[in-house]
Amino acid sequence: AQSVAQPEDQVNVAEGNPLTVKCTYSVSGNPYLFWYVQYPNRGLQFLLKYITGDNLVKGSYGFEAEFNKSQTSFHLKKPSALVSDSALYFCAAGGGATNKLIFGTGTLLAVQP
Amino acid sequence: EAGVVQSPRYKIIEKKQPVAFWCNPISGHNTLYWYLQNLGQGPELLIRYENEEAVDDSQLPKDRFSAERLKGVDSTLKIQPAELGDSAVYLCASSLSQDTYEQYFGPGTRLTVT
Repeated sequence: AQSVAQPEDQVNVAEGNPLTVKCTYSVSGNPYLFWYVQYPNRGLQFLLKYITGDNLVKGSYGFEAEFNKSQTSFHLKKPSALVSDSALYFCAAGGGATNKLIFGTGTLLAVQP
Repeated sequence: EAGVVQSPRYKIIEKKQPVAFWCNPISGHNTLYWYLQNLGQGPELLIRYENEEAVDDSQLPKDRFSAERLKGVDSTLKIQPAELGDSAVYLCASSLSQDTYEQYFGPGTRLTVT
């Protein structure tokens, strides 16, 4: 069965420091991987995706993610965190036998000023 | 470009009452999804439409949930009767086609069943 794991419920980082939000996946075949961000009382906003090609994917608001096939990971990164980055981040995976997207349980990112 | 529109944004009902949610996807998007998001969890797919056809409704509790997308554009999700455990956020999303994994989400409807 396809699954996505976000091992950290919350990540705390100081403003200006680099941040990493972790994601691992289990998908048969070639995976399609996504990161979404959710602000309070808002829907999910697309950040970036990996379909094929370069393992390092750049997305919105300075975020990037690295696809690592051997580790089945797709960690979200940003070189310098902003307080406004504080939100709930979801990793999602699709591919394999179905077109269904499977979401992780989310990681709350808290950036302290 | 207008995004995915959902209404109402909030709904409070008593258990055993019916409730309906409406979604208008992004213009030109053939694929429409309804998701359920419980507090502290990621979205879980309830049903996926390709135009007016429901192509994946395996996770939809059909004894009380129903959905329709009659003209292949906007969609309605209904619960009848609602139960306390149905309290959650119901998200609608759309994509250009089933082969386009990039989904665009609406703001959701927060349902509270008392």
